[in-house]
Amino acid sequence: DAGVIQSPRHEVTEMGQEVTLRCKPISGHNSLFWYRQTMMRGLELLIYFNNNVPIDDSGMPEDRFSAKMPNASFSTLKIQPSEPRDSAVYFCASSQGVDRGVTEQYFGPGTRLTVT
Amino acid sequence: DAKTTQPPSMDCAEGRAANLPCNHSTISGNEYVYWYRQIHSQGPQYIIHGLKNNETNEMASLIITEDRKSSTLILPHATLRDTAVYYCIVRPSSLISWGKLQFGAGTQVVVTP
Repeated sequence: DAGVIQSPRHEVTEMGQEVTLRCKPISGHNSLFWYRQTMMRGLELLIYFNNNVPIDDSGMPEDRFSAKMPNASFSTLKIQPSEPRDSAVYFCASSQGVDRGVTEQYFGPGTRLTVT
Repeated sequence: DAKTTQPPSMDCAEGRAANLPCNHSTISGNEYVYWYRQIHSQGPQYIIHGLKNNETNEMASLIITEDRKSSTLILPHATLRDTAVYYCIVRPSSLISWGKLQFGAGTQVVVTP
């Protein structure tokens, strides 16, 4: 079991640039979550999907953020345009099935984003 | 959603049991208690969860009081690798919110030799 895979592990970009973070959930998991962690705000849920459908995106900070899940094995989180305050560690997590009451989430290693 | 209160930090000697308290006095009858931990620079890791009864797995034990207003996570024989931030989370009961785990500040546990 490879676990949740995220890429890139580190990203440094300039303000105004587009940033795309990628996630491959654990095979067979049908729920996927995107989190952001900063020292100031801790670990925050941005959005989560169930069966590739966004269920709750109330944590997405603003229109500059968008997330997609085109199929069961891939998701992206895009920031356009990026700003210095977006600097954080972004985690992706997957779960076997929120609709089956299974909410043990398995986290990836995270992507450390730095916007200068 | 029920909120949780945890001590900000605690130390534990290697080989001893670590008892991590959590207060969730506003928990409702169908809300679960979940515990996760986050080792430095890694993603959070699921530990255990429970509703009413005490639970045990290969990592830890979870003791929930009869009134469900508090719980204790027990690491039976702490090792240096258990040094981490431990999060106690109450999982929302509604179907639409099942996926929303709200992580608080947690308890920073330091296991010392």
